[in-house]
Amino acid sequence: GAGVSQSPSNKVTEKGKDVELRCDPISGHTALYWYRQSLGQGLEFLIYFQGNSAPDKSGLPSDRFSAERTGGSVSTLTIQRTQQEDSAVYLCASSLNRQYEQYFGPGTRLTVT
Amino acid sequence: SQQGEEDPQALSIQEGENATMNCSYKTSINNLQWYRQNSGRGLVHLILIRSNEREKHSGRLRVTLDTSKKSSSLLITASRAADTASYFCATATNQFYFGTGTSLTVIP
Repeated sequence: GAGVSQSPSNKVTEKGKDVELRCDPISGHTALYWYRQSLGQGLEFLIYFQGNSAPDKSGLPSDRFSAERTGGSVSTLTIQRTQQEDSAVYLCASSLNRQYEQYFGPGTRLTVT
Repeated sequence: SQQGEEDPQALSIQEGENATMNCSYKTSINNLQWYRQNSGRGLVHLILIRSNEREKHSGRLRVTLDTSKKSSSLLITASRAADTASYFCATATNQFYFGTGTSLTVIP
């Protein structure tokens, strides 16, 4: 079946602009995660959605970052007033629930100029 | 703070040799998972070991878990050039933490 998809695959934006990154999880997966990975670094947890529960936003680095998940499916990560340090690959993953293995999308490479 | 830390950060071996990577973590876990990443893109799940398990095998992969030492190891036997990638451990508690990864290079 279809895996996790993310769009766009690459995004170049000017400093100060807002960006929206999209994630389509695997159908039926109740858990959805967003991570950020800078070049050569590990994964930085950003936010976690589980079903209809309130999301775990503890990893969001600033109030410029927000995410929503509509209808328990598609998720959008929004970064307002982008800064150069926001440049990274943003990865989305989904799983059946919290304790199961995660399936990752290909990521969105964000470059802020 | 990050939960999982891999060791070594980088490993270079000859094809056919075994590769061992270690992961240490800080708090009690429900399970520990190993992932592989090629080309800085999405990660691929390799194996999951639950907190009540001590060893698990999948093909050429062998994972051990020592909850008393809060550590896990991933062994790749008879390595191939195609195993060249970054390997991450991830611990599942109330949150999900990935380590910084081990970069494995298998030289043909």
